[in-house]
Amino acid sequence: DARVTQTPRHKVTEMGQEVTMRCQPILGHNTVFWYRQTMMQGLELLAYFRNRAPLDDSGMPKDRFSAEMPDATLATLKIQPSEPRDSAVYFCASGLRGSNEQFFGPGTRLTVL
Amino acid sequence: GQQLNQSPQSMFIQEGEDVSMNCTSSSIFNTWLWYKQEPGEGPVLLIALYKAGELTSNGRLTAQFGITRKDSFLNISASIPSDVGIYFCAGPNNNAGNMLTFGGGTRLMVKP
Repeated sequence: DARVTQTPRHKVTEMGQEVTMRCQPILGHNTVFWYRQTMMQGLELLAYFRNRAPLDDSGMPKDRFSAEMPDATLATLKIQPSEPRDSAVYFCASGLRGSNEQFFGPGTRLTVL
Repeated sequence: GQQLNQSPQSMFIQEGEDVSMNCTSSSIFNTWLWYKQEPGEGPVLLIALYKAGELTSNGRLTAQFGITRKDSFLNISASIPSDVGIYFCAGPNNNAGNMLTFGGGTRLMVKP
C-alpha cells in the first residue's frame, strides 16, 4: 500500500516544549516536502529535500525549526522551543524527481498551549 | 512570486447539481494539478494535466488545462455528499525544481 505516513496524527504540548514530527515517504520517492496549513495562510512550504539533501528551507523559521532526513525512509521536522503560533497542521508529501505530482500524508495536527 | 487564484472561494449546493470551479494565474504553467482535501486528512491528487487544451476525467470529475496555459477548470457532475471538501489547484513553481504553488482552495458543501 503506497502511502505517505506521518506520526503522530495529533500532538498537544505546552509552550517551550520540543516537538518532533515524523514522515515516511512512499518507497522509491526521492523528494520530500514539509508543509504547514493554517486557516489564515493556507498551505505553506517549509522545506524540501531531494535524495535526503535539503534543497530549500527558506519557508522555515530557522531559529526554532529544523528538518532532516536521517535515511531515505524517514524525514523529521522538529520545533524547539514550540510556541502557540506554531499550532497548525503539518503535512509531509513525497514525489519523484522530474515529476510535479506530490502525494501527501494525513498530517500532524499540532496544538501548542 | 507566482499566485494562483481560485474561485469561487466556497460553494453550497444541492446534491445532484453540477459544480464548476476554476483557477487562474498571471503567469504560464506547464502542469496543472487538482487536489481534494477532506476534513482531517491530507490533500489527495485527483487529476494531473500536462498539455494546453487537455481535458481529463476521473469518474464524475473532469478537469481542463486552459488553452492560454494561465487557467484550469474542474467540473464535478451530479454531486453527492461525499464530494464535500476543499479543492485545491496547484502548479509547479517555475523558480525551483519540483516545488508547487497552491491556490487558496474552493470549499464545497453539498446538501443532501
